[in-house]
Amino acid sequence: DGGITQSPKYLFRKEGQNVTLSCEQNLNHDAMYWYRQDPGQGLRLIYYSQIVNDFQKGDIAEGYSVSREKKESFPLTVTSAQKNPTAFYLCASKWAGADTQYFGPGTRLTVL
Amino acid sequence: EDQVTQSPEALRLQEGESSSLNCSYTVSGLRGLFWYRQDPGKGPEFLFTLYSAGEEKEKERLKATLTKKESFLHITAPKPEDSATYLCAVRVISGGSNYKLTFGKGTLLTVNP
Repeated sequence: DGGITQSPKYLFRKEGQNVTLSCEQNLNHDAMYWYRQDPGQGLRLIYYSQIVNDFQKGDIAEGYSVSREKKESFPLTVTSAQKNPTAFYLCASKWAGADTQYFGPGTRLTVL
Repeated sequence: EDQVTQSPEALRLQEGESSSLNCSYTVSGLRGLFWYRQDPGKGPEFLFTLYSAGEEKEKERLKATLTKKESFLHITAPKPEDSATYLCAVRVISGGSNYKLTFGKGTLLTVNP
């Protein structure tokens, strides 16, 4: 099956812990993105990567880190520095030169 | 600052009752407007991309239109399975040759049988 996968679907974290969210795609997309969705707010961009080994901060990068060692993978680490990490996290990807981003199923992170 | 405003926040329709959702935007240099559908607890599903004022796209019971200041998502004779949150996003320049999507907060559509 072709598509974008995110794991886990649900994640619980204790305060002070770092957690890593997985995003994998087998669509041969070049660019990958991480968004955060909170109730009553629009999606907000955390980080994005247009090519392997390169990434840029989005609008709300503080408290997050990413890596892009492989074209198909773009993991997001939520660090203990993120003050309010409970949210729905969405990964997206697209081909270079194309405009449309396609989204994965999301990971819901809850801090206990 | 780029802004995207969707209205209404929530809309309840009876099955078969046609209506429209609005997405108004204030951006410098629009490079595309996107509509997505999102079901509860799932990722957004792409519906349409519009680029120029006057452009229209259709898919089943949905039709998206674009003017210089807003876009409408028209829903004709909706069915309960059309119930979802509909998201609007605009693609704008974000430094150099980079682009980013700015999203509205969405419209929650409920279609009652």
